[in-house]
Amino acid sequence: QVQLVESGGGVVQPGRSLRLSCAASGFTLYASGMHWVRQAPGKGLEWVAVVSYDGSNKLYADSVKGRFTISRDNSQKTLYLQMNSLRPEDTAVYYCAKPDSYDRGFDGWGQGILVTVSS
Amino acid sequence: DIQMTQSPSSLSASVGDRVTITCRASQGIRNDLGWYQQKPGKAPERLIFAASSLQSGVPSRFSGSGYGTEFTLTISSLQPEDFATYYCLQHNSFPWTFGQGTEVDLK
Repeated sequence: QVQLVESGGGVVQPGRSLRLSCAASGFTLYASGMHWVRQAPGKGLEWVAVVSYDGSNKLYADSVKGRFTISRDNSQKTLYLQMNSLRPEDTAVYYCAKPDSYDRGFDGWGQGILVTVSS
Repeated sequence: DIQMTQSPSSLSASVGDRVTITCRASQGIRNDLGWYQQKPGKAPERLIFAASSLQSGVPSRFSGSGYGTEFTLTISSLQPEDFATYYCLQHNSFPWTFGQGTEVDLK
């Protein structure tokens, strides 16, 4: 059974950094690309970033490009999101998400972790 | 980027009603679309993949249809546990994009 557990959220001041982690179990992480998706309070879902199975390819939403970095450590079965230069509009629940075997959307989600950017 | 326009943004319905939600893509996406249900405080869950394939474990009252630019999620007979927010997601090309969501509440 797929299990994804995010950690590392909290309250941070604008301009500061935060790193989220997502511990994966119940599936073969090293064979799967992985994503981050976020949801601002009371708003819809926004795709944030994807990393390929081996970490060699990464893509980002324009809203976070140049500030966020997605990475992974397959030996530790963990996905990361390094968030720099945080802005109030980055306040959201962040989900790590697993695509299905054919990249047809997400068949596994973490419980989500709240990041609040506020002075 | 592909824009996904979802309608309606909200709807009120009764138990037993037939409910239809639509997503329109700004360009053709073949059948690279899924539907997700999200309840308050919870992560989304996939209902439909490849536009019309039912996710394992999802009740058969949920169905999806469409190809290219027009897609529909139908709930044939709304049940109390179906009151939630629904999103479409296109995965044809990056950035993957969600519809704005449809909140289904009790009339």
